[in-house]
Amino acid sequence: NAGVTQTPKFQVLKTGQSMTLQCAQDMNHEYMSWYRQDPGMGLRLIHYSVGAGITDQGEVPNGYNVSRSTTEDFPLRLLSAAPSQTSVYFCASSLSPMNEKLFFGSGTQLSVL
Amino acid sequence: AQSVAQPEDQVNVAEGNPLTVKCTYSVSGNPYLFWYVQYPNRGLQFLLKYITGDNLVKGSYGFEAEFNKSQTSFHLKKPSALVSDSALYFCAVRDEGDMRFGAGTRLTVKP
Repeated sequence: NAGVTQTPKFQVLKTGQSMTLQCAQDMNHEYMSWYRQDPGMGLRLIHYSVGAGITDQGEVPNGYNVSRSTTEDFPLRLLSAAPSQTSVYFCASSLSPMNEKLFFGSGTQLSVL
Repeated sequence: AQSVAQPEDQVNVAEGNPLTVKCTYSVSGNPYLFWYVQYPNRGLQFLLKYITGDNLVKGSYGFEAEFNKSQTSFHLKKPSALVSDSALYFCAVRDEGDMRFGAGTRLTVKP
């Protein structure tokens, strides 16, 4: 059972480039989400999804897009990378959107030069 | 909107001593509260949660947390700290999908 799988683990981009961070879960979870982790700020929610075809914005959605075409996959797209998007990104999922715990991927460390 | 606060950036304890990592919350309804731990270069791992019921919640690795409604607190505790407990600890609150995290507290347990 792989759980939540994120790729790539590391990425370096130049300002203005675009890329997609991949996230997949094999637990048939309804809820999936993306967070960014910055020193001293904890984890901040970027986007989330409560099921296939449904997405919504979190605290810090600007500069990011998501889609949820299947239950398993929830990719995060950076449209035009900026240095302010240098961060560690985590994908997480849970069985339902309510009071269930989150399962986290191992993270993607992104640097934008 | 719901939120949590962790007032301490850093907590240092000696091995074998009890530890407490503090968390206060702000919610409009019933709180669903969580604690997670993060080891270096890893994702967050679930420790325990409070949904309803007993105010003392027991979790993984010997950790427990005390829910106090009057003080709006949910402090993480362990009776006897281990060096291997050294990590980053996050308190979180969940309401209608969103899970919001505190800024984290770095726990260092010294031999």
